[in-house]
Amino acid sequence: AQSVAQPEDQVNVAEGNPLTVKCTYSVSGNPYLFWYVQYPNRGLQFLLKYITGDNLVKGSYGFEAEFNKSQTSFHLKKPSALVSDSALYFCAVRDTGMDTGRRALTFGSGTRLQVQP
Amino acid sequence: GAVVSQHPSWVICKSGTSVKIECRSLDFQATTMFWYRQFPKQSLMLMATSNEGSKATYEQGVEKDKFLINHASLTLSTLTVTSAHPEDSSFYICSARVAKGTGTEAFFGQGTRLTVV
Repeated sequence: AQSVAQPEDQVNVAEGNPLTVKCTYSVSGNPYLFWYVQYPNRGLQFLLKYITGDNLVKGSYGFEAEFNKSQTSFHLKKPSALVSDSALYFCAVRDTGMDTGRRALTFGSGTRLQVQP
Repeated sequence: GAVVSQHPSWVICKSGTSVKIECRSLDFQATTMFWYRQFPKQSLMLMATSNEGSKATYEQGVEKDKFLINHASLTLSTLTVTSAHPEDSSFYICSARVAKGTGTEAFFGQGTRLTVV
């Protein structure tokens, strides 16, 4: 079984400050990890993913995430937040294994990021 | 990135009627599509996995006869909510993966807001 935890319902940060949105995961094998962003009444937009290799992954809109195997975490970060970054962020995981092409993602509960001007 | 188009974006229907939601992969072939349901301020819950040319695989607790899924081609999957009731009101999102291989991210449609009155 695979699961994702996003411990914070909401994160508030001032514009220009660094932001972190936390995510921890649980899988039986090796994880594929993803971050998506959702704007009101819209589908999800892909931000970045970790498959293998460098633990620091860079993605869209200046976001990055660090894979930490020992802590089973994949926190989303950005050095300088923008008001336009305010949205709902989802961490997702897919376990490696058989028939992964047909396996859906498991999502965390989501974290609402609010960037204040 | 790959584009997934979902139609309609919103629909209001009367209780007892059926509603069909379409999910199209516009610039790639998707052997597998996924249907999610999202309640307000909650995460995405997988409803079913739709495989082209075969029967969909439903998650536990999802009524197969109520949520009919058809994946007749490599670019189109449909979800029909039959005999809709107010409790079926929700945000429905489809996603598709570009390839069957490991590590590829899923692309999401813009979602359909269903309101049953």
